[in-house]
Amino acid sequence: RKEVEQDPGPFNVPEGATVAFNCTYSNSASQSFFWYRQDCRKEPKLLMSVYSSGNEDGRFTAQLNRASQYISLLIRDSKLSDSATYLCVVISGSARQLTFGSGTQLTVLP
Amino acid sequence: DGGITQSPKYLFRKEGQNVTLSCEQNLNHDAMYWYRQDPGQGLRLIYYSQIVNDFQKGDIAEGYSVSREKKESFPLTVTSAQKNPTAFYLCASSIQGQNYEQYFGPGTRLTVT
Repeated sequence: RKEVEQDPGPFNVPEGATVAFNCTYSNSASQSFFWYRQDCRKEPKLLMSVYSSGNEDGRFTAQLNRASQYISLLIRDSKLSDSATYLCVVISGSARQLTFGSGTQLTVLP
Repeated sequence: DGGITQSPKYLFRKEGQNVTLSCEQNLNHDAMYWYRQDPGQGLRLIYYSQIVNDFQKGDIAEGYSVSREKKESFPLTVTSAQKNPTAFYLCASSIQGQNYEQYFGPGTRLTVT
């Protein structure tokens, strides 16, 4: 089992739709979690951290479920500009090593 | 502007040649990292450095070497021992102890033929 797993997609949704991605992790002692966004042939950029209590930033909501060992990202009212690959990142271990998921590709259609 | 620069953006080499990828940051970050990304895959850690003159192997260090002589610079050498060097190489940096958000450079696409 991979340490961090994501549904690769692609997710093709119409503008205005709500879409959700999940990311599962295998290390129950993982400490920190993030969502990054990566545009085609560009570097990843931090989208948001994921807090235990869940957090929201505009149209984006991130949640953590420690019992089931997954994090989620919900995007409401999708825009064309949301089209990208979304990478989840998990920090684990005493060395606080980052592990990236392989990414979920989202295409928002007009 | 503060940030991370990588050069060149595209690099072409013949098999059997060593090649060095540049990474410079002016964010005053202590930690720097090198990742490799292959099509449809996530980032895999090659090497990282938490302080000048010290660095650690990541998950896929074989065939690569690094140096950290200055805080601002963390060059990566792809040696001829690396069996599949063609990939997208990303350098990142972070502040130690600050929720580990990583800032990435624009990347170098290396093609070895």
